[in-house]
Amino acid sequence: DQQVKQNSPSLSVQEGRISILNCDYTNSMFDYFLWYKKYPAEGPTFLISISSIKDKNEDGRFTVFLNKSAKHLSLHIVPSQPGDSAVYFCAASAPGAGSYQLTFGKGTKLSVIP
Amino acid sequence: DVKVTQSSRYLVKRTGEKVFLECVQDMDHENMFWYRQDPGLGLRLIYFSYDVKMKEKGDIPEGYSVSREKKERFSLILESASTNQTSMYLCASRSQGRYEQYFGPGTRLTVT
Repeated sequence: DQQVKQNSPSLSVQEGRISILNCDYTNSMFDYFLWYKKYPAEGPTFLISISSIKDKNEDGRFTVFLNKSAKHLSLHIVPSQPGDSAVYFCAASAPGAGSYQLTFGKGTKLSVIP
Repeated sequence: DVKVTQSSRYLVKRTGEKVFLECVQDMDHENMFWYRQDPGLGLRLIYFSYDVKMKEKGDIPEGYSVSREKKERFSLILESASTNQTSMYLCASRSQGRYEQYFGPGTRLTVT
């Protein structure tokens, strides 16, 4: 049972345009969400996060939106740059004993075309 | 900056061999994790440790064991490597009470 879903395996965007990566979740206990970026042959790096008490968090070119009623979050990258080309993973955490674990989606490969 | 290092970037082992993957973090983090990443399957948690000498099974612990004798070091052990354990292995650590995990560069293990 996949609790965090990234339904688009890949996405191509022109340089300078907006990239929107989507993530859906099924576990209503999740209360914290994170996005990671991964380049080939490297470990994932933390990008941005959002708590369930917020609906938006912004950090430079990266903004994460959370829609709790729809159990949906999205990562917006504006403007997109060729260096943003990577695999992006959405992850979620539940409170209490589950807070040790992050549940990851399968990832979306973003290609930013110069 | 948090630094998580893994003993090998690439490793080739034969079926049936005992394999040790080492992970060291330098930020005094309490919690450490081992994941494997496979194409189309994302990151799956094998084991984690919330403190020295403590360990908990993750989602796919079968065929693996772990050891945490010191706070900074977390080892993943494949008792008898099999070809279906060919994968990218990622170690991570995090500070107790924080959500963000910090990952090492990964070990690409091939079992032939």
